[in-house]
Amino acid sequence: GAVVSQHPSWVICKSGTSVKIECRSLDFQATTMFWYRQFPKQSLMLMATSNEGSKATYEQGVEKDKFLINHASLTLSTLTVTSAHPEDSSFYICSARLAGGPRTGELFFGEGSRLTVL
Amino acid sequence: SQQGEEDPQALSIQEGENATMNCSYKTSINNLQWYRQNSGRGLVHLILIRSNEREKHSGRLRVTLDTSKKSSSLLITASRAADTASYFCATDSSNTGKLIFGQGTTLQVKP
Repeated sequence: GAVVSQHPSWVICKSGTSVKIECRSLDFQATTMFWYRQFPKQSLMLMATSNEGSKATYEQGVEKDKFLINHASLTLSTLTVTSAHPEDSSFYICSARLAGGPRTGELFFGEGSRLTVL
Repeated sequence: SQQGEEDPQALSIQEGENATMNCSYKTSINNLQWYRQNSGRGLVHLILIRSNEREKHSGRLRVTLDTSKKSSSLLITASRAADTASYFCATDSSNTGKLIFGQGTTLQVKP
């Protein structure tokens, strides 16, 4: 089956540093990936839609300069949290949309990346 | 923004009992999906129901969709302790994969 890998699965960083999280589709191509954040005991909030080869589309209220998204290839999207602060501590989850083939359009989620900013 | 409202927020039942979770949404949809999340983990896709479908089954899962009421329900029959998890509904309004999630229901199944 299709697998989406997120790396790192957890990261602790100091306030003011930048952290990059990768979302990789291992055995399929994904022209579109989505980034969500989830606070403890809450639901997933869509942050942005990442399209291969073009700029990401951000949801209202999400700072694009704070959360940099790069979708450089059909199998990789990255989310960089710049100048991280403790309030950025969260669980970040990506999903990838299968492009092409009989199962085109199906979504697959990564295991999530837990960010803790000290 | 969150579209879905789910109830109950928390549900505790004994193993073997059935669990029903409800989801309501606000705008028109192309499809509605249910996901499961174990604590601290990613999402597992359970079932997708399209706007022109009213009911769908998958194993012990039964999902209904009422587009006139903008609501859906997930029924888990003969629950097991391993079903303990959070369950989320998510709506796709444009068939693009962009999902808006409900608040979720935390299910505890006691052995």
